[in-house]
Amino acid sequence: KAGVTQTPRYLIKTRGQQVTLSCSPISGHRSVSWYQQTPGQGLQFLFEYFSETQRNKGNFPGRFSGRQFSNSRSEMNVSTLELGDSALYLCASSFGNRRGGGLFFGEGSRLTVL
Amino acid sequence: KNEVEQSPQNLTAQEGEFITINCSYSVGISALHWLQQHPGGGIVSLFMLSSGKKKHGRLIATINIQEKHSSLHITASHPRDSAVYICAGASNTGNQFYFGTGTSLTVIP
Repeated sequence: KAGVTQTPRYLIKTRGQQVTLSCSPISGHRSVSWYQQTPGQGLQFLFEYFSETQRNKGNFPGRFSGRQFSNSRSEMNVSTLELGDSALYLCASSFGNRRGGGLFFGEGSRLTVL
Repeated sequence: KNEVEQSPQNLTAQEGEFITINCSYSVGISALHWLQQHPGGGIVSLFMLSSGKKKHGRLIATINIQEKHSSLHITASHPRDSAVYICAGASNTGNQFYFGTGTSLTVIP
């Protein structure tokens, strides 16, 4: 069974630009959640999508947005990039309900903002 | 105060030692996950617990629901166990996770 796939793996942007990251979940998983990981803050929850609907959102500014498609693939977008947005962005997929089944992470997209 | 607290933050052990990492949580959760992150970023889910104890090879995870506490044990530690271990509580709806700050483990040969 294919794992969670994130693209691109690495990218470099400059301040003010915008970026779109993609996440393809494990087949059958309907929930995709996004996380930002920085050395100082650890893993922080960005948002979670289930069946094309955002169910939960973390404490991030509106520059961070996402969406989910009917095939459960998800994208996240960061507009007007700031230096502090440099981080590893991870997505995870799961069944997304109390059924559990574990949480499966992608390898992450490492964003550097110059 | 974080919803999930982990200790210790850093841990260095000699190969073969028994290791314990602790996790306490203050929110209601449906399950607790133990995650392993190696340098380079990839995260692997080691355990998902809602009660009792689970064992996989040299790894053992326990959870005490009443005390809101979980532990990850590594028996006969090996240098390849060197990684960051993160505990994460899944919300009661199952769609949000609260993360501990991680424990950086280094096992010296």
